[in-house]
Parts: sequence; C-alpha cells; structure tokens
Amino acid sequence: DTAVSQTPKYLVTQMGNDKSIKCEQNLGHDTMYWYKQDSKKFLKIMFSYNNKELIINETVPNRFSPKSPDKAHLNLHINSLELGDSAVYFCASSQLSGRGLPLQETQYFGPGTRLLVL
Amino acid sequence: AQTVTQSQPEMSVQEAETVTLSCTYDTSESDYYLFWYKQPPSRQMILVIRQEAYKQQNATENRFSVNFQKAAKSFSLKISDSQLGDAAMYFCAYAGYQKVTFGIGTKLQVIP
Repeated sequence: DTAVSQTPKYLVTQMGNDKSIKCEQNLGHDTMYWYKQDSKKFLKIMFSYNNKELIINETVPNRFSPKSPDKAHLNLHINSLELGDSAVYFCASSQLSGRGLPLQETQYFGPGTRLLVL
Repeated sequence: AQTVTQSQPEMSVQEAETVTLSCTYDTSESDYYLFWYKQPPSRQMILVIRQEAYKQQNATENRFSVNFQKAAKSFSLKISDSQLGDAAMYFCAYAGYQKVTFGIGTKLQVIP
C-alpha cells in the first residue's frame, strides 16, 4: 500500500497554463507539506498544513495555492505556469507525537511529480 | 535564519567500507531536530536517521550513525559496511520551531 501518493507522476505543459498536483496520504497523519526540488537538487519547503490549517507559507509566488479538503489530502494548484516552475514537487506527511512541533517529526515523502513547463 | 551546509557535493566509498558525510548548521534556537534523508535514483526521499538536539546520545540505526556535536553545530552521518544500495543523494535537514531547512545534498557513490 502506498503511504503517500502523488498524481500525476509527470506533467508536461505549456507556459501560461493552470495545473494541479494531487497528494494523498493513508498514514493517518495530521500534517502535510509541499516541497520544490529544483534542477540542482535543492529542496525547499513551500507549504505545510496541520489538520487542514495552513501553518507554513514560505515565500512562493501567489500563483501557487495549496488546498486541503481533508487531513488526508493536500493538493497544489499552480496558475499561469512559468518556465521557472519546472522542478520536481514532493508531497510529504508527518504526525505529531507529542514531543516537538509538526516540522520536527519524521516526514514521509511521496514519489514526486516532475513538472516540465515548455 | 537557519542554514544547513553540506560541504561535500560528492563522495565515494568502496563497498563494505565506512564513509562519513558532513553537515553543519547555523541556528540561534535551542530546541530543534536534525535529520538525514536519502534520495536514491528512484527519487523518493526516505528518512535515514533523526536526532533530537536535547539528547546527548548520538542516534544510531543499524549501519547508520551520527556524530552530533551541538556546540560545534555539526551533524555528520557515518555509514558502516557500505552497500551498493546506499548509493544515493543524502540530505541533511534542520527542523526548528517554524522552519525546516535542507542542505544541498551529498551524492554518494558506492564502488563495488
């Protein structure tokens, strides 16, 4: 059983389009994240939701909008795609254990979505 | 702002040998967590080991252990008895109160 799944796995699209990436976790975790990994492998957190509430919103363009319909899902919608948005996007989840904050728990990552904007 | 530095872009190790990957970080926080994640060619990020800053004892996980030096803000990963499956990118990560920061990664090659 896949713990954290993302769809699609690959996404090729034209500049200016709007696209969504879906993420689902079946671990019962209460916190979910979106990361962007650029061509140099640099991994940067974008957003985090804890129990459907946004707790981290890093400096990303407002063309990126996360949506969490429930605890098990965190989708990423991107408007007006640009060439610089090409990257691998990772979803992750974690569970509060009582010691530490959401970010400090072990994160379980999805397989990534490779986005290529032409 | 917290920073995480991995100064070795690439490392190689002979199979069955030991290798140490370095990581240093900068923070003014007193309570935080440190992680090593592994990203094999399949791309999926997997936790290798986790260290709580308030714990003096170094974390170990089978062949993986860390050397955590809080005063020096150093968190190196030691892989013993290296195996071919250990070949991957290794990311050091810092998790404080409000942010998680990843290093740029070290690519580990395992030579048969």
